[in-house]
Amino acid sequence: QAVVTQEPSLTVSPGGTVTLTCGSSTGAVTSGHYPYWFQQKPGQAPRTLIYDTNKKQSWTPARFSGSLLGGKAALTLSGAQPEDEAEYYCLISYSGAWVFGGGTKLTVL
Amino acid sequence: EVQLVESGGALVQPGGSLRLSCAASGFTFSSNAMHWVRQAPGKGLEYVSGISSNGGSTYYADSVKDRFTISRDSSTNTLYLQMGSLRPEDMAIYYCARGRGSRANTAMADYWGQGTLVTVSS
Repeated sequence: QAVVTQEPSLTVSPGGTVTLTCGSSTGAVTSGHYPYWFQQKPGQAPRTLIYDTNKKQSWTPARFSGSLLGGKAALTLSGAQPEDEAEYYCLISYSGAWVFGGGTKLTVL
Repeated sequence: EVQLVESGGALVQPGGSLRLSCAASGFTFSSNAMHWVRQAPGKGLEYVSGISSNGGSTYYADSVKDRFTISRDSSTNTLYLQMGSLRPEDMAIYYCARGRGSRANTAMADYWGQGTLVTVSS
C-alpha cells in the first residue's frame, strides 16, 4: 500500500502564512489523486476543508487554499488565526484505495 | 441539514463481531457514496471502507478486507459496517462520512458524523 507523508508538526505566527504538504511514496501527487484536506480539533470529528486539489467547501475560510506544489499536494494558510490550531490530514485516492497522511499538527504561536 | 448519526459501538472481545450503523438524513441518500473512516485512540485517521451510491461498488482497506463488509439500505437511509474477527488494533472511533458524489473511488467526504467507539478487549 502506498504511503502518504506529511510534516509531523509546523508552527505559524498569528497572521502568518504556512504551507502544509502531502507527498506520495508512488511518485508525484496529481489531480488524478483527488487530494483532500481535513481539519480536526481535539475531541471533534474531522471537517473537510479542500477537495479535488483546490476546491473549497462552503464553510472553508477564504484563508485556506489547496494546490499542487513540487509534486505534492499543498494546503496553504494565509493569515493564520488562533482557531486554526489543529491537526490537518491529507487524503489521496489510488484508484479507489484512499490513503490518509499521518497528519500535521499545526500550532499557531 | 445533512446529518449522519453513527451507532452500534460497543466493547467486544477479540474474535468477536459487531455491526455499526449510520443513520443519514437531510439529503437524498441514494445519490451519494458513503464511507467509513476510523481513528484509534491518539492516532491519525485511517480509511476503512466505501460504497458507491447504488451499492454496486465497494472498497476496503487491506487491514479490514475479508473481515468487514460495508452495505447500505436506501429504504431506511442507513449505512452499515459489519465487522468480524475483530482484533485489538480495530479499536477506534468509527466515523461515517458522505461522499461528495456517487462514486466511492473519486468522491470522498464532505459531511462527517460524530463517530461511535469500538473497543476490542478481553
